[in-house]
Amino acid sequence: DIQMTQSPSSLSASVGDRVTITCRTSQSISRYLNWYQQKPGKAPKLLIYVASNLQSGVPSRFSGSGSGTDFTLTISSLQAEDFATYYCQQSYSAPTFGQGTKVEIK
Amino acid sequence: EVQLVESGGGLVQPGGSLRLSCAASGFTFGIYWMTWVRQAPGKGLEWVASVKQDGSEKKYVDSVKGRFTISRDNAKNSLYLQMDSLRGEDTAVYYCAKHKDAADSSSRFDYWGQGTLVTVSS
Repeated sequence: DIQMTQSPSSLSASVGDRVTITCRTSQSISRYLNWYQQKPGKAPKLLIYVASNLQSGVPSRFSGSGSGTDFTLTISSLQAEDFATYYCQQSYSAPTFGQGTKVEIK
Repeated sequence: EVQLVESGGGLVQPGGSLRLSCAASGFTFGIYWMTWVRQAPGKGLEWVASVKQDGSEKKYVDSVKGRFTISRDNAKNSLYLQMDSLRGEDTAVYYCAKHKDAADSSSRFDYWGQGTLVTVSS
């Protein structure tokens, strides 16, 4: 199985801040990396697929980059509705998820 | 509008069985791979199983192989997960999820149901 390591596990930020979350995989997955947002009590929501493609309806302040084993999710200007937990997921082989990054209000 | 509605969760004793259902609407169900993902209380997401459009190919995470069976009925636009020999570690919210691209097994999930809670406890 491909192991996923997200960092940080949690962070505190203010509205308007630039936020970066990283995801590292245990082997190269090309660009087969997706990002999800999950709010408490809700289902995950697809934000970014194939490393850098913005899912329809997702605000452009979200962006993704990376290839191989190192990937990044960036929120350019954090909004109140962005406080949530974010997960990376590889779709190169049997899917696995990162452990999540909780973005909290500072 | 795409909708996925899970049902069938509940409390079951260790060693027991449960069948989850997912009713799909708002898209052509039969041309998409479908998947179950679970989330233990307070924990992260774990892929459980996926099934091909015609049901001819099924994939499972190692921890459920031989105990869980994924299936689908395209005539009823429904996805199922038969769970046998349940264990405490199977306690989780179970989500059904639609693969993003038709006729593509690549596991990126663009629509999810609201989830159904399965609790395995005596």
